[in-house]
Amino acid sequence: SQTIHQWPATLVQPVGSPLSLECTVEGTSNPNLYWYRQAAGRGLQLLFYSVGIGQISSEVPQNLSASRPQDRQFILSSKKLLLSDSGFYLCAGRAAIRGDEQYFGPGTRLTVT
Amino acid sequence: SQQGEEDPQALSIQEGENATMNCSYKTSINNLQWYRQNSGRGLVHLILIRSNEREKHSGRLRVTLDTSKKSSSLLITASRAADTASYFCATGPRTGANSKLTFGKGITLSVRP
Repeated sequence: SQTIHQWPATLVQPVGSPLSLECTVEGTSNPNLYWYRQAAGRGLQLLFYSVGIGQISSEVPQNLSASRPQDRQFILSSKKLLLSDSGFYLCAGRAAIRGDEQYFGPGTRLTVT
Repeated sequence: SQQGEEDPQALSIQEGENATMNCSYKTSINNLQWYRQNSGRGLVHLILIRSNEREKHSGRLRVTLDTSKKSSSLLITASRAADTASYFCATGPRTGANSKLTFGKGITLSVRP
């Protein structure tokens, strides 16, 4: 099965600062990768997904961007953070060939001050 | 918009009792999945049921799917304190490389020792 690694676990950043969250995957090749954001007490909002290197689909227009420089690496970025970017960010992966279930990383708690 | 809507939003039961959680959705699906999230952690996949299946079991979990009513239920039998978590249903509109899941807002389950 897949293992999703995310770091950092927590992050406190001032408004206007840049952001880079990294996600790496073990245990599968050519996975579909996803970035979600979860507001307190809410469900998951899909932000970006990728089916391969350099292929990014954006679900919600916003202050964030994503990149996939390597098959098992998915990065979430921002040039200038907003207060509304605070939340719990989750990376997930799915085997492209078989299986519809997603495997999640431990998440990053981002607080923008 | 959210595809899956869980019911109830919160559930509190005594250890040893059964917990039943419901999920309704609006459009056609290929599969429906249930996930668990412990506080401050990533989601863990519990069980997947496909649109041509009516019932599925995994250990103490039992999932049913009624496509005519566009609803699913998750039953946890003989609950334990360790089952305390948030539970999410997620719908997959179709299988394949670009399949995305839509998550509900979740149900908070508290199991009292």
